[in-house]
Amino acid sequence: EIVLTQSPGTLSLSPGDRATLSCRASQSVSYLAWYQQKAGQAPRLLIYHASTRATGIPERFSGSGTGAEFTLTIDRLEPEDFAVYYCQQYGNSPPVSFGQGTRLEIK
Amino acid sequence: QVQLQESGPRLVKPSQTLSLTCTVSGRSIDSGTFYWNWIRQLPGKDLEWIGYIRYTGNNYYNPSLQSRVIMSVDTSRNQFSLKLSSVTAADTAVYYCARAPYHTGGGLDFDYWGQGILVTVSS
Repeated sequence: EIVLTQSPGTLSLSPGDRATLSCRASQSVSYLAWYQQKAGQAPRLLIYHASTRATGIPERFSGSGTGAEFTLTIDRLEPEDFAVYYCQQYGNSPPVSFGQGTRLEIK
Repeated sequence: QVQLQESGPRLVKPSQTLSLTCTVSGRSIDSGTFYWNWIRQLPGKDLEWIGYIRYTGNNYYNPSLQSRVIMSVDTSRNQFSLKLSSVTAADTAVYYCARAPYHTGGGLDFDYWGQGILVTVSS
């Protein structure tokens, strides 16, 4: 069973900073997506296929990586960016799985 | 604008069957190539994919849950449904329905989500 491990668990930054979030898979994955979730809301798709921004997602969000190491970068943090971020893989066993999340909080 | 809305009982007794329906608006469930999914978020915030169904009825369930899961689709009502049998307290979660578009390059990611419904399993 593939496991996605996100780090750090919590990231404390200030508006205007750059955020770098990591997602490491226990084995190579073919497809990876990133989501943002705010309190009381459903997750929102940010990035799919590791680096393709979803419709309407600002350019300050970017994804990179391949194999088992992936990164979500958020440039020039805006106040609305402080939330929980999840990575998600498709194609391995189980067919779909999520990381445990990284909480991005205001420093 | 595509919208999804979950509905169903919010309290289910242990050993009974959890039944939820997702109503899709803004797009016909049988137009385009989409996968209609159920995903749940456990109290500790972990996300767990339950499975998907297509408008044709083809489905794919998470192996960890497949013995208890049945999904169905009703194109006349633009709805799809989830039944999860023999529930226990461990099935208490926020249940989301979500759409996954087909990608020519493969992959399954979720571009539209319902607001979620908290289902509690308790006697």
